[in-house]
Amino acid sequence: DAKTTQPTSMDCAEGRAANLPCNHSTISGNEYVYWYRQIHSQGPQYIIHGLKNNETNEMASLIITEDRKSSTLILPHATLRDTAVYYCITGGATNKLIFGTGTLLAVQP
Amino acid sequence: NAGVTQTPKFQVLKTGQSMTLQCAQDMNHEYMSWYRQDPGMGLRLIHYSVGAGITDQGEVPNGYNVSRSTTEDFPLRLLSAAPSQTSVYFCASSYSRYSHTEAFFGQGTRLTVV
Repeated sequence: DAKTTQPTSMDCAEGRAANLPCNHSTISGNEYVYWYRQIHSQGPQYIIHGLKNNETNEMASLIITEDRKSSTLILPHATLRDTAVYYCITGGATNKLIFGTGTLLAVQP
Repeated sequence: NAGVTQTPKFQVLKTGQSMTLQCAQDMNHEYMSWYRQDPGMGLRLIHYSVGAGITDQGEVPNGYNVSRSTTEDFPLRLLSAAPSQTSVYFCASSYSRYSHTEAFFGQGTRLTVV
């Protein structure tokens, strides 16, 4: 079973920030938090990952709580093309990703 | 640099037939993995490899075989296809077990077993 809990679906207005939460209360000290997304049954696409510190790249920001039991993925200015299923995954190795059912983010015009 | 290439994109098999799903990557990645995705669900890990000659089972390995004779290729073999194996199959590769970087996924093979 997946070790993370995410809402099934969320809506966001185009141009606004999308904040996607993830609970991972059983994460161990050496496990990373990874975020991937899947657009319309294409192959999953990497977004960002982190261990303890907050991270930012050209796609998104990742905020990890101090106790590491939860995190939030932030898409700063959502567009219609960001409509996808977003997966929060915890683990230590990128070749054994355990996917849950993710959050379907629907960006509304 | 083509990334991860999967062939075929679509396949229909009859129950009991065998076939091989091909996966190739040109990024010199050590890690390669196979996943299946059933409707409305996340991906589930079938088999993975940490380098040429080394493979291991994932969450749902039954009915599938893999081998890794080269760094570039990681074929997935269905020994005797069953309707329960109707799914979308994704191959992924990443740099190494000690490098927490992104995994690259192929575009998938959509398999129907009738």
